Amino acid sequence: ETGVTQTPRHLVMGMTNKKSLKCEQHLGHNAMYWYKQSAKKPLELMFVYNFKEQTENNSVPSRFSPECPNSSHLFLHLHTLQPEDSALYLCASSQGHSGTSGRGYNEQFFGPGTRLTVL
Amino acid sequence: KNQVEQSPQSLIILEGKNCTLQCNYTVSPFSNLRWYKQDTGRGPVSLTIMTFSENTKSNGRYTATLDADTKQSSLHITASQLSDSASYICVVSARAGSYQLTFGKGTKLSVIP
Repeated sequence: ETGVTQTPRHLVMGMTNKKSLKCEQHLGHNAMYWYKQSAKKPLELMFVYNFKEQTENNSVPSRFSPECPNSSHLFLHLHTLQPEDSALYLCASSQGHSGTSGRGYNEQFFGPGTRLTVL
Repeated sequence: KNQVEQSPQSLIILEGKNCTLQCNYTVSPFSNLRWYKQDTGRGPVSLTIMTFSENTKSNGRYTATLDADTKQSSLHITASQLSDSASYICVVSARAGSYQLTFGKGTKLSVIP
């Protein structure tokens, strides 16, 4: 296990539903991320939180709404999704981005993902 | 535009055989290159991370090489096992400490008995 957990692991929802994905990290990290992974496409960065502050919103539609109540928890609230939003949603965490990392890189640790199907 | 291209897209090999996966990138500037293993339905797990000054790095039966001049990397798997069946993703970072990563589409490896 990587120290990053996600729930639920699988989710099926209709286009009018509202649901939330949850991510929790037990690594003492200060940065958390949401990625979308669609079939035969590279991982797409959606949101970044650094020390609980959102530092990146990669042109994500407003039907995806992130929430980061503390450095250990990250949520992705979903509403009125489209079938093309069906994908594997991955959460990741790393040391915080304070300008220098010491090692020259911030290794990201990924959770197992939530497989989302929108009907 | 920063890009990472991987080849082949998919590969089938017999258990016990070796294989090499390729990664070409156009990311600039360059800070580090990572190889991840992703089992089906799971999140990626880091295998190796190499910075500009490193030419090769091993993790058990996995050996990654990096040629920063030609912007190429390879991942060599020795004596493959059934558990090596997974997608292998090449990821490049442009700046030290940055969260911005450029991901390849991955190579899907299937190891058969």
